Amino acid sequence: GAGVSQSPSNKVTEKGKDVELRCDPISGHTALYWYRQSLGQGLEFLIYFQGNSAPDKSGLPSDRFSAERTGGSVSTLTIQRTQQEDSAVYLCASSLAGGRQSSYEQYFGPGTRLTVT
Amino acid sequence: QKEVEQNSGPLSVPEGAIASLNCTYSDRVSQSFFWYRQYSGKSPELIMSIYSNGDKEDGRFTAQLNKASQYVSLLIRDSQPSDSATYLCAFGGTDSNYQLIWGAGTKLIIKP
Repeated sequence: GAGVSQSPSNKVTEKGKDVELRCDPISGHTALYWYRQSLGQGLEFLIYFQGNSAPDKSGLPSDRFSAERTGGSVSTLTIQRTQQEDSAVYLCASSLAGGRQSSYEQYFGPGTRLTVT
Repeated sequence: QKEVEQNSGPLSVPEGAIASLNCTYSDRVSQSFFWYRQYSGKSPELIMSIYSNGDKEDGRFTAQLNKASQYVSLLIRDSQPSDSATYLCAFGGTDSNYQLIWGAGTKLIIKP
């Protein structure tokens, strides 16, 4: 079946510009997660959605970062006034988030590589 | 603060040997434990889930969970060069927010 998809796969932008990254989760998965991974580093949690609401936004690095999810499906991560330190791979994952143990299993998309010049 | 500790490596193992990866976690009430594999330049891929104390085997992979010691491990038998990757452990399942706590990953190198 279809996995998590993300677009674009690569994005090069100039410092100060805004960017939008998109995530389309696995059909039926109610939880959606955004992470950031810099080269050679671990996963940095950004935000978690349950349905359309975000119970935990604690990982967003600054107020330049925002995210929304509509229809319990697609999510968009927006970075305003990009800075060079925003350069990283942005990963999206989804999970079933139902009553079963397997509900916690997260499945990742291929990521969006963001380069800010 | 919930935490996961993993040795960052690199862990170098000869081809054909058993690779042993370890992870300790801080939360005594966690119910779900996962191992992910991440190849360089790729996204993490779920390879093992374990929910009960003991061993769980899947092909060449065995996950071992010891909740009393707050310890989870991954054994890879007959290691192959294609097993070279970073292995991330994660745990969760203590509440209804479905988030996972992630280790930083152990880089595994299988030497031919």
